[in-house]
Amino acid sequence: KAGVTQTPRYLIKTRGQQVTLSCSPISGHRSVSWYQQTPGQGLQFLFEYFSETQRNKGNFPGRFSGRQFSNSRSEMNVSTLELGDSALYLCASSKDRPGETQYFGPGTRLLVL
Amino acid sequence: SQKIEQNSEALNIQEGKTATLTCNYTNYSPAYLQWYRQDPGRGPVFLLLIRENEKEKRKERLKVTFDTTLKQSLFHITASQPADSATYLCALDPLGGGNTPLVFGKGTRLSVIA
Repeated sequence: KAGVTQTPRYLIKTRGQQVTLSCSPISGHRSVSWYQQTPGQGLQFLFEYFSETQRNKGNFPGRFSGRQFSNSRSEMNVSTLELGDSALYLCASSKDRPGETQYFGPGTRLLVL
Repeated sequence: SQKIEQNSEALNIQEGKTATLTCNYTNYSPAYLQWYRQDPGRGPVFLLLIRENEKEKRKERLKVTFDTTLKQSLFHITASQPADSATYLCALDPLGGGNTPLVFGKGTRLSVIA
């Protein structure tokens, strides 16, 4: 089975811009979670989608949003980028539930200048 | 407050020795605990899951223990090799039912020196 894929792998944006990241989960996996990873905070949960619905949400501002399509592919969007949004954004999929074993993609490295 | 802590930010060890990494948690009641490996610039990779009723789990050179009384998991790599150098993360399901997102420790960066 193909693993979780994420595009793009690297992005450079400037403050105030917006960005959309894409994730394709493992075939058959219906739960897709997004995490932000920074050296200081570690892995922080952003949100989880299941059957095109946001089922769980972490403690991030409304500038961070996401969606899931009928084929389980997911996107996340960050609007009005801030310097502090520079991070590795990881997508993970699991069969049904966010507490199950997570299969991570390679991540998107976002740098905000 | 709820916390999951990996005691060492970094651990250096000689090749061939056993590396032991610690994960402690407070105010959680996980039904299981997971360990992941992360190489620089890549996503974490699942290694092992241990349930609350399992004292120990093994996979090749890896061994994990789970002590719900101490609220602690230990992760051992025996006969360590330079290729084992990576960051190791522990993670738990906060409410124990699998329906809440995993909470991750900040990781321990292991360096195995030849």
